[in-house]
Amino acid sequence: NAGVMQNPRHLVRRRGQEARLRCSPMKGHSHVYWYRQLPEEGLKFMVYLQKENIIDESGMPKERFSAEFPKEGPSILRIQQVVRGDSAAYFCASSPATGGGGEKLFFGSGTQLSVL
Amino acid sequence: DAKTTQPPSMDCAEGRAANLPCNHSTISGNEYVYWYRQIHSQGPQYIIHGLKNNETNEMASLIITEDRKSSTLILPHATLRDTAVYYCIVRVDGTYKYIFGTGTRLKVLA
Repeated sequence: NAGVMQNPRHLVRRRGQEARLRCSPMKGHSHVYWYRQLPEEGLKFMVYLQKENIIDESGMPKERFSAEFPKEGPSILRIQQVVRGDSAAYFCASSPATGGGGEKLFFGSGTQLSVL
Repeated sequence: DAKTTQPPSMDCAEGRAANLPCNHSTISGNEYVYWYRQIHSQGPQYIIHGLKNNETNEMASLIITEDRKSSTLILPHATLRDTAVYYCIVRVDGTYKYIFGTGTRLKVLA
């Protein structure tokens, strides 16, 4: 059973370009989370999605960032017009459908975004 | 904001038990405590979680105080490969947000 798959592993963009980060959750998982980690800092929650729905995007910057989790295909985190401050590791996690509250998150290996 | 506080760093001798504390004084009755660790820049790895009772699995034990305001993660025989940042997390009640704090950087010494 494959784990959470993220690609690309490393992404280099110039200022002003767009970055697209992909995440395929574990088989059978319908919930996806995105986190950002700046160097030497902890993980910051960005957004939580279910299939075709954004449930909580309270951690997403209001400008330039968007996320989706379509009915078919991976979840996408999109950053438009990247700036140097967007350089970070972006982690995706998935979980099965929520029930009693003890669900575990399973994390991918992350995408390291570098903005030149 | 994180609902947990942890010491920033700890050292442990190889082969000894590593006891990592976590305070979560504002935890509510339905909120679970989770522990994850992050080795280098890898994705966080699940260790254990619990609600009220102490828990044990092949990796670690979790001791939760009776008032649930604090917990301790125990690695019974620490190895060099256990060197990592350990995060204690409480999922925010009524939401799906798992909020990471700054964690404890555990260094296992040979």
